[in-house]
Amino acid sequence: DVKVTQSSRYLVKRTGEKVFLECVQDMDHENMFWYRQDPGLGLRLIYFSYDVKMKEKGDIPEGYSVSREKKERFSLILESASTNQTSMYLCASSPGLAGGPRNPNLYFGPGTRLTVT
Amino acid sequence: GENVEQHPSTLSVQEGDSAVIKCTYSDSASNYFPWYKQELGKRPQLIIDIRSNVGEKKDQRIAVTLNKTAKHFSLHITETQPEDSAVYFCAATRRREYSSASKIIFGSGTRLSIRP
Repeated sequence: DVKVTQSSRYLVKRTGEKVFLECVQDMDHENMFWYRQDPGLGLRLIYFSYDVKMKEKGDIPEGYSVSREKKERFSLILESASTNQTSMYLCASSPGLAGGPRNPNLYFGPGTRLTVT
Repeated sequence: GENVEQHPSTLSVQEGDSAVIKCTYSDSASNYFPWYKQELGKRPQLIIDIRSNVGEKKDQRIAVTLNKTAKHFSLHITETQPEDSAVYFCAATRRREYSSASKIIFGSGTRLSIRP
């Protein structure tokens, strides 16, 4: 069974702080994703990574950066947190083309509810 | 850029009736369309998916249809039950042949409530 874990379920930070959200998956998946979930807006892609040290911007990358130094870990960084980054953050992973199933099913973590005050 | 629109945003149906959720996508190269269900306080989970070379797929009480010409796809739930109450997300993605990366774009979600 795929397990995707996130470092915190709830986090409260102050405006201007640097925030790290960590995500770890244990199924040797090539692809990892960060989404934010807001009411009425669904799941919006921030960044994704298809290999170690590789990353691509999603639809809303502004104000965020990511790091993937190891295959199992994908970190989301808020360089200077702002109140409009208060949201639920969901990490996900999926198998890659090589050796994986044909369809890129996403396996989600439990989410981190971040509040920036 | 790619966009997925989902309707309705909320849906309330009587237990036992059918529910239909519709989505449209903008990227004509999209070739894989999954649906995720998110129960209250839980993470989204895949419930059914369809690929672009198939027009319809069924799995017990749920089915998905795809119209590639019109670029829309729909989720159908028959004989609804209380446990079907959740938020449902459609998504679209284009599998890139020479890369593992699959940018999956989600719709805004539909909150389905089943009335007893």
